[in-house]
Amino acid sequence: GAGVSQSPSNKVTEKGKDVELRCDPISGHTALYWYRQSLGQGLEFLIYFQGNSAPDKSGLPSDRFSAERTGGSVSTLTIQRTQQEDSAVYLCASSKSGASYNEQFFGPGTRLTVL
Amino acid sequence: AQSVSQHNHHVILSEAASLELGCNYSYGGTVNLFWYVQYPGQHLQLLLKYFSGDPLVKGIKGFEAEFIKSKFSFNLRKPSVQWSDTAEYFCASLMDSNYQLIWGAGTKLIIKP
Repeated sequence: GAGVSQSPSNKVTEKGKDVELRCDPISGHTALYWYRQSLGQGLEFLIYFQGNSAPDKSGLPSDRFSAERTGGSVSTLTIQRTQQEDSAVYLCASSKSGASYNEQFFGPGTRLTVL
Repeated sequence: AQSVSQHNHHVILSEAASLELGCNYSYGGTVNLFWYVQYPGQHLQLLLKYFSGDPLVKGIKGFEAEFIKSKFSFNLRKPSVQWSDTAEYFCASLMDSNYQLIWGAGTKLIIKP
């Protein structure tokens, strides 16, 4: 079946602009995660959704970052007033539920470059 | 703070060599441990995972990892690597059955044909 998809695959934007990144999880997966991977570093947890609610937003680096999920499916990560330090690959993952034993399946990522 | 460390950022081996990639975590409670792999141009995918039971875990493509609690380690091994194992390998942990994966910085493995 189809895996996790993300769009766009690449985004170049100017400092100060807003961007929206989209994630389409595997059908039926109730849990959805956003991570960020900066150059030369491991993945950094941003936010977790169980259904449409986000019980844990602790990883969002600042109030410029927000995310929503509608219909228990598609999620959008929005970065307002982008800064150069926001440049990274943003990865989305989904799993059958939020239980730890469920494998997280990853999408291809969106590479964001802020000029 | 809870963390995962991978000691080698770049490893270069010849085909048929044996592989061991180090992973250490810092947490005294219950941990679930994972190795993920990202082949060039592909998504991250799960190689193997440890939750409980036998500390020697076997994964896909001939990889295995051993959980050694006393050393806080979960090293990845393969007895004989192939050129197709060229990829980036990430160790990750879930602590106290939380859903938030904590990741190491990754190890880039290059296999020379």
